[in-house]
Amino acid sequence: DSGVTQTPKHLITATGQRVTLRCSPRSGDLSVYWYQQSLDQGLQFLIQYYNGEERAKGNILERFSAQQFPDLHSELNLSSLELGDSALYFCASSVEGQGTAGQFFGPGTRLTVL
Amino acid sequence: QKEVEQDPGPLSVPEGAIVSLNCTYSNSAFQYFMWYRQYSRKGPELLMYTYSSGNKEDGRFTAQVDKSSKYISLFIRDSQPSDSATYLCAMGAGGRFGAGTRLTVKP
Repeated sequence: DSGVTQTPKHLITATGQRVTLRCSPRSGDLSVYWYQQSLDQGLQFLIQYYNGEERAKGNILERFSAQQFPDLHSELNLSSLELGDSALYFCASSVEGQGTAGQFFGPGTRLTVL
Repeated sequence: QKEVEQDPGPLSVPEGAIVSLNCTYSNSAFQYFMWYRQYSRKGPELLMYTYSSGNKEDGRFTAQVDKSSKYISLFIRDSQPSDSATYLCAMGAGGRFGAGTRLTVKP
């Protein structure tokens, strides 16, 4: 158990809908990262927050947004969902903003868009 | 050219073999290097991280960094069926991951 929690574990929804994925980092970690992993694909970095502020942005679509709250939990919002958004979404956390001692991943949220 | 290149495999070895997994990278500014293990559809698990060049050993795992060649390796000694997973390299700050190498260790 990495100490990172993600809810929900599974999400099934329809095209055009909006969903929110939630992540709680390990106790003491200030940085949260979001990744997308499609079937048999590598990890695609979406966005990073550090202590409430956006730190880095990757291949995140305009339909997607995220935020980190004062209690350090983070939410990833996906809107106008398309079939191609079906994937595993992972959250990871690290103590500092560089992730140089590695990141700790949650179990993921499996999103299915029908 | 991708910033981090990793052969996706698949790689199949007999139990007890020494496994060598490798990544190359293009950004000479990278100082930090990590290896993760991911079992099917689970969250990646941090195995090791190293700073700059040199070797680091942890049990059956050895991470090696050659900054002059922009090449990193993970060696697994006495491989076990439980090592069957996808191994991902990562480097620098943030989310620079390789595509992952799928490893199968056959009993």
